[in-house]
Amino acid sequence: DTEVTQTPKHLVMGMTNKKSLKCEQHMGHRAMYWYKQKAKKPPELMFVYSYEKLSINESVPSRFSPECPNSSLLNLHLHALQPEDSALYLCASSPGTGINQPQHFGDGTRLSIL
Amino acid sequence: DAKTTQPPSMDCAEGRAANLPCNHSTISGNEYVYWYRQIHSQGPQYIIHGLKNNETNEMASLIITEDRKSSTLILPHATLRDTAVYYCIVRSRDYKLSFGAGTTVTVRA
Repeated sequence: DTEVTQTPKHLVMGMTNKKSLKCEQHMGHRAMYWYKQKAKKPPELMFVYSYEKLSINESVPSRFSPECPNSSLLNLHLHALQPEDSALYLCASSPGTGINQPQHFGDGTRLSIL
Repeated sequence: DAKTTQPPSMDCAEGRAANLPCNHSTISGNEYVYWYRQIHSQGPQYIIHGLKNNETNEMASLIITEDRKSSTLILPHATLRDTAVYYCIVRSRDYKLSFGAGTTVTVRA
């Protein structure tokens, strides 16, 4: 069982819909991350939040909008997505962003764009 | 981040030790070696990490060669539930984990 909880587990949406992915952790971690994983590929970093502030955006299109309402929650707002955005979206957290601090992942939201 | 090389796949016998190799010949002095695994339909699971010394925890042991150019992850008694993709990652930056293709490990009864 993972200590990073992601909801929903599955999401199907049309290209004109607006939806949000949610991530929650209660480990007191101050860094949170969004990764994207296409089928049969490794995860790729999208965003990093440190102390509730966006610190890294890996050139992600603006149709993906992250939000960190507090230290335990991380959202990913989705709007006008394309079929190629269908993927597993993974949230992770770590005590800080230091190189010696492991990231712990949730089980992801599997997103399908119709 | 330094590049890692792992075999694409490995078979292991249930109950036996599984030794997973990783080459990272361009690793530099301040870069850590991390291991994660991803079981089908789940998120990546942290296993272990180290800098220079060998490390052991309840899941596995990490053996890093003295020149740090390669490492081995050891699962002491493989079970069917250890079937997964195993990622060896050399981490040089504070925030980023750069996953490679990994090794698909199949544990057979």
